[in-house]
Amino acid sequence: QVQLQQWGAGLLKPSDTLSLTCAVYGGSFRDYYWSWIRQPPGKGLEWIGEINHSGDNNYNPSLKSRVTISINTSKNQFSLRLSSVTAADTAVYYCARGHDYGGSTDAFDMWGQGTMVTVS
Amino acid sequence: SSELTQDPAVSVALGQTVRITCQGDSLRSYYASWYQQKPRQAPVLVIYGKDNRPSGIPDRFSGSTSGHTASLTITGAQAEDEADYYCNSRDSGGKHLSVFGGGTKLTVL
Repeated sequence: QVQLQQWGAGLLKPSDTLSLTCAVYGGSFRDYYWSWIRQPPGKGLEWIGEINHSGDNNYNPSLKSRVTISINTSKNQFSLRLSSVTAADTAVYYCARGHDYGGSTDAFDMWGQGTMVTVS
Repeated sequence: SSELTQDPAVSVALGQTVRITCQGDSLRSYYASWYQQKPRQAPVLVIYGKDNRPSGIPDRFSGSTSGHTASLTITGAQAEDEADYYCNSRDSGGKHLSVFGGGTKLTVL
C-alpha cells in the first residue's frame, strides 16, 4: 500500500522560505512524477510543480521564480521550497504522485494528507 | 498556459443523474482526470483517461470527452457524493505543465 507522508513548518512570517518534505512509502519511486499542489482557504487547487526520479522539473509559470522542488532517491523523498512568502501563499499544501498512463492520460493517483501553511 | 473552466455549483436530486463539465483547449490533446474533495480531506482521484476508475471508486462515476469539453457523470447520485469536484489535465503548450479547473460544488438534494 503506497502512502505519502508530508511534513514541514506550518507558520511562517512574510519573506520566509516555505519548506516541506514528502516521503513515499511502498511502491516504485522511479516510475512517477512527484508533485506539489496547494489550496488556499476556501479556494480551488493550484498545481505548483513536479519532479521525476532523474531530477527533471516542471513548474507553474506563476510561481517558477520562487519555487524549487528537489528529490532524494536514496530516501524516497521529495521536497518543496518556496521563497519570499507572503500572505497570498497561505494554503494547504499537498504532495501527490503523478502517474503517466500513456495515451495522453495522466493523473494524480495518490495524495499526501496535506499541510496547512499560514503566513502571518 | 491553458485554462480549464468549470461551473461553480451544480445540484442533483438524490438518485438522479448529474453531469459536471470542464472546458479547455488542452482537452483536445489530453484527457482530463477528475478529483472528489470532501471538506477537510485530500482530493481523491475518481476518473482518469478516456473513462477509467481507480480501484474502489463506484461504477456510478463515469467520464467522457467531446472536443474541448470533458464530463464527469454520476448516475444515481448518493448523499455521499456531495463534494467539490475538480478536473485536471496537462497543458497543451508543450511544456508538460499541469492545470486544474476552478472546481464544481455538487449538492445532492
